[in-house]
Amino acid sequence: QVQLQESGPGLVKPSETLSLTCTVSGGSMSTYYWSWIRQPPGKGLEWIGYIYYIGTTNYNPSLKSRVTISVDTSKNQFSLKLSSATAADTAVYYCARDADGLLDYWGQGTLVTVSS
Amino acid sequence: DIVMTQSPDSLAVSLGERATIACKSSQSVLYSSNNKNFLAWYQQKPGQPPKLLIYWASTRESGVPVRFSASGSGTDFTLTISSLQAEDVAVYYCQQYFSTPWTFGQGTKVEIK
Repeated sequence: QVQLQESGPGLVKPSETLSLTCTVSGGSMSTYYWSWIRQPPGKGLEWIGYIYYIGTTNYNPSLKSRVTISVDTSKNQFSLKLSSATAADTAVYYCARDADGLLDYWGQGTLVTVSS
Repeated sequence: DIVMTQSPDSLAVSLGERATIACKSSQSVLYSSNNKNFLAWYQQKPGQPPKLLIYWASTRESGVPVRFSASGSGTDFTLTISSLQAEDVAVYYCQQYFSTPWTFGQGTKVEIK
């Protein structure tokens, strides 16, 4: 059973970079895409982007200028960096396995608050 | 981007009754070469991540109860819970995976009447 777990700071200051890591267990990262999705408190879901296990990325154009997703298959991890954070980036951030667009395994999510 | 619009935003249904949620995409998510609709449904219970229920518009994920069914093609889709159970209280989202960026509907909150 594939499991994903997000980790990283729960509080980020405005203008700083939000950084999160997702650790994958119970399965290989090979042959899959790996996505980040976020959900502002009380609101809907927004796909941030994905990375293929070999490092190819695809980002949501709405965030593309600020997003970097990287992968380290030796550690079974992939990471998200979102620069120039603002209060609008406050959200629960989820990582998920992306099977050609189907998000079939999700982490539990981690709340990141952007505030001074 | 493909815009996904769900209706209603919320609905209250009595236990054992049918709940129906609609989802409309701003452009077709039917891929003509394989005749598949790139449309999924997710269930999100409070404090939990979304759970994949349905893919290819009508295929239940393994372990999903048969009371959940879905249909539709092109731009118009429906999720039906045939006999609402207490554990079905959740927010339901449709999602298109026809083209990036993957996009979701705004969600439909299902409650017990």
